[in-house]
Amino acid sequence: KAGVTQTPRYLIKTRGQQVTLSCSPISGHRSVSWYQQTPGQGLQFLFEYFSETQRNKGNFPGRFSGRQFSNSRSEMNVSTLELGDSALYLCASSHHAGIQETQYFGPGTRLLVL
Amino acid sequence: LAKTTQPISMDSYEGQEVNITCSHNNIATNDYITWYQQFPSQGPRFIIQGYKTKVTNEVASLFIPADRKSSTLSLPRVSLSDTAVYYCLVGGRNQGGKLIFGQGTELSVKP
Repeated sequence: KAGVTQTPRYLIKTRGQQVTLSCSPISGHRSVSWYQQTPGQGLQFLFEYFSETQRNKGNFPGRFSGRQFSNSRSEMNVSTLELGDSALYLCASSHHAGIQETQYFGPGTRLLVL
Repeated sequence: LAKTTQPISMDSYEGQEVNITCSHNNIATNDYITWYQQFPSQGPRFIIQGYKTKVTNEVASLFIPADRKSSTLSLPRVSLSDTAVYYCLVGGRNQGGKLIFGQGTELSVKP
């Protein structure tokens, strides 16, 4: 079974631009979560989607948004990019949204904002 | 959610067995213990999960004592490619839906 895939793998943008990242979960998984990882802050939770509905949201500004499609694929969008948005963005999927569900991570999208 | 404590770093040599211990004194009755491995600029990779006693798969073994207040990830005969950060997580996601990753253990395998 194919793992979680994320596109693109690398991205360079300039301040003020917007970016859309894509995540395809493992087949059959309906829960998708997004995380931001930086050297200083570690892994920080952005949001979680289950059956096209946002179930949980982390403490990020409204510039960060996401959505999930009927096939469970998910996208996250960051508008008006700032230098501090440079990070590794990770997507993780699980069968359901239960607390003990194991989450499987994708390879990540490395975003560099200049 | 149970707080976890791991050594910040460990050094080993190729071919040795490496044991990384995680303390989780406040583990709840229904909490599972999960370990992830992460290489630089890649997503965490699920290694192993267990509830009690011993679990083994093709990659590692997980030892959990009867009181479940700690767990030990055992990597047999490590190679240079096992150099990574290893995270111990307890209890899955919290009520806010997110996994809580601690600092992890940076394992360095030398030739």
